[in-house]
Amino acid sequence: DVKVTQSSRYLVKRTGEKVFLECVQDMDHENMFWYRQDPGLGLRLIYFSYDVKMKEKGDIPEGYSVSREKKERFSLILESASTNQTSMYLCASRLEGASTEAFFGQGTRLTVV
Amino acid sequence: GNSVTQMEGPVTLSEEAFLTINCTYTATGYPSLFWYVQYPGEGLQLLLKATKADDKGSNKGFEATYRKETTSFHLEKGSVQVSDSAVYFCALSAMSAGANNLFFGTGTRLTVIP
Repeated sequence: DVKVTQSSRYLVKRTGEKVFLECVQDMDHENMFWYRQDPGLGLRLIYFSYDVKMKEKGDIPEGYSVSREKKERFSLILESASTNQTSMYLCASRLEGASTEAFFGQGTRLTVV
Repeated sequence: GNSVTQMEGPVTLSEEAFLTINCTYTATGYPSLFWYVQYPGEGLQLLLKATKADDKGSNKGFEATYRKETTSFHLEKGSVQVSDSAVYFCALSAMSAGANNLFFGTGTRLTVIP
């Protein structure tokens, strides 16, 4: 059974903290993605990676960074958490190719107080 | 650019009613089109897809046809069930920044009442 696993379902952090969200996939996929999901805005791409140590900015990269040291792991980092980063964060992975299916983790609901 | 516009919700239907959720897209080139579904408390999962014009994707009684002339990919189901209550996302896959990226609509929440 294919799987994308996010390290936490729920997180509460304080403003200014450095936050790490971890994502691991067991399907040997080249591409991995981080999205945030907000009501009325759908899924917005933060960063993606198409290979180890490679990363590209998505639509809303400000305030975030990423790390991909191994093919199976893609980490999202909030350098200094702010209240406007309170959201649901979704990780996904897929094989290269326009028609391939993306597999999603269950999401991390992050609250910044 | 690449973008997806889908029907705003929420949508509330009685069991066995007919469902349509509209989706239109803008894309450079020839994208693949998808419908994803998110059940409560879960991540997104693929519902169906179509990879070229006039293709019909189908799964679990849902279907959608890739219409290039109207740039649409509307989701339909003839008879919805309570278990279909979820959020539905239309998406397209197209080249962007050197990789095949997925672009999502805003999602449509469907509630089916007995």
